[in-house]
Amino acid sequence: AQTVTQSQPEMSVQEAETVTLSCTYDTSENNYYLFWYKQPPSRQMILVIRQEAYKQQNATENRFSVNFQKAAKSFSLKISDSQLGDTAMYFCAFNTGNQFYFGTGTSLTVIP
Amino acid sequence: DVKVTQSSRYLVKRTGEKVFLECVQDMDHENMFWYRQDPGLGLRLIYFSYDVKMKEKGDIPEGYSVSREKKERFSLILESASTNQTSMYLCASRPSSGTAYNEQFFGPGTRLTVL
Repeated sequence: AQTVTQSQPEMSVQEAETVTLSCTYDTSENNYYLFWYKQPPSRQMILVIRQEAYKQQNATENRFSVNFQKAAKSFSLKISDSQLGDTAMYFCAFNTGNQFYFGTGTSLTVIP
Repeated sequence: DVKVTQSSRYLVKRTGEKVFLECVQDMDHENMFWYRQDPGLGLRLIYFSYDVKMKEKGDIPEGYSVSREKKERFSLILESASTNQTSMYLCASRPSSGTAYNEQFFGPGTRLTVL
């Protein structure tokens, strides 16, 4: 079965600090893609960062980076220099073939 | 920019009504998806379509049907709405090739309440 687990339903971080959101997944596939999506309150879901499973180098996008551990099936998101606009629900997901599998989400609050 | 629009942001219907949720994308994407989002359950796939008139069941298709008569439009139909279908419904699209191949683009969502 393809599953995604986000064990932290809620997290908070002080503005300008660093926070890490955890994600583990399970799949028997060898080729897949991993994603972190952000859903701000009452706003559209947008892609934060993407990682290709065959690439060992961790993806980075400005203040967002991932720690991808393929053997452990772990894909955590690090947000540096947290900003108030980072307050959102964050979903970890992976894709194989035509289907995407999402975790249950982590609600992140950035505290001024 | 890719734009995915959904016909309503908020919708209130009564039990037993037939409900249509419409989704339109403007980037000529082959693939389109319908999810429902519930607290603590994340996003669950209801149906997806990889081409006009083609559809595949997702994880929770019961009580729903879909229609894709044109490439840009993917409709979700609740034949007889029930209170347990009260949820946020998200539409997404995705191309079959190109640099955005493995990215889904989401609409703003429709919050459906069934009374």
